[in-house]
Amino acid sequence: EAQVTQNPRYLITVTGKKLTVTCSQNMNHEYMSWYRQDPGLGLRQIYYSMNVEVTDKGDVPEGYKVSRKEKRNFPLILESPSPNQTSLYFCASSFITGGRFVGYTFGSGTRLTVV
Amino acid sequence: AQSVSQHNHHVILSEAASLELGCNYSYGGTVNLFWYVQYPGQHLQLLLKYFSGDPLVKGIKGFEAEFIKSKFSFNLRKPSVQWSDTAEYFCAPSYNFNKFYFGSGTKLNVKP
Repeated sequence: EAQVTQNPRYLITVTGKKLTVTCSQNMNHEYMSWYRQDPGLGLRQIYYSMNVEVTDKGDVPEGYKVSRKEKRNFPLILESPSPNQTSLYFCASSFITGGRFVGYTFGSGTRLTVV
Repeated sequence: AQSVSQHNHHVILSEAASLELGCNYSYGGTVNLFWYVQYPGQHLQLLLKYFSGDPLVKGIKGFEAEFIKSKFSFNLRKPSVQWSDTAEYFCAPSYNFNKFYFGSGTKLNVKP
């Protein structure tokens, strides 16, 4: 089944403790991206990657890191989480065909709470 | 900077009522347009998309959207909503094949 898999689904952590949220897709998509969703603010892009070893900042990159060493994986790293990073996180991927996005496939989300 | 505006933040309808959710995007070169739906507790799913050609596009579950270039609009419609359409709906233009911009979302509550 074509899908984007995120882990974990739920995570409670303490301020300053490094964590990684994993994202893996099995569709050979070139483009992958991380979003956070907060009430009243919609989805905001954190980082994106056009292909392996190509990453760039989205709208709210502060406090986050990413890497794209393999096409299928795009982990989100919080080196020193803070309470303002408490949010619902989504990973998404898409083909780029003829220069166009085909449309995102989203992961199931990771609800992160930083206390 | 490119942007997208969804005018209705919260819509309440009775079953069988007609639905129209507004979406306006700012001009920014070539634009592809998408609507996504997020059912309670779930991730976003693609409803429909417009790249070019016929400005009236049909998506899943009886939804459709009309691209009106002169108004920079891409409104979502459904002739008769069902209780199962209760969800949050996001308009998302993609400019110059670069990235998506998501609207703030419209919560639809359909009363049985």
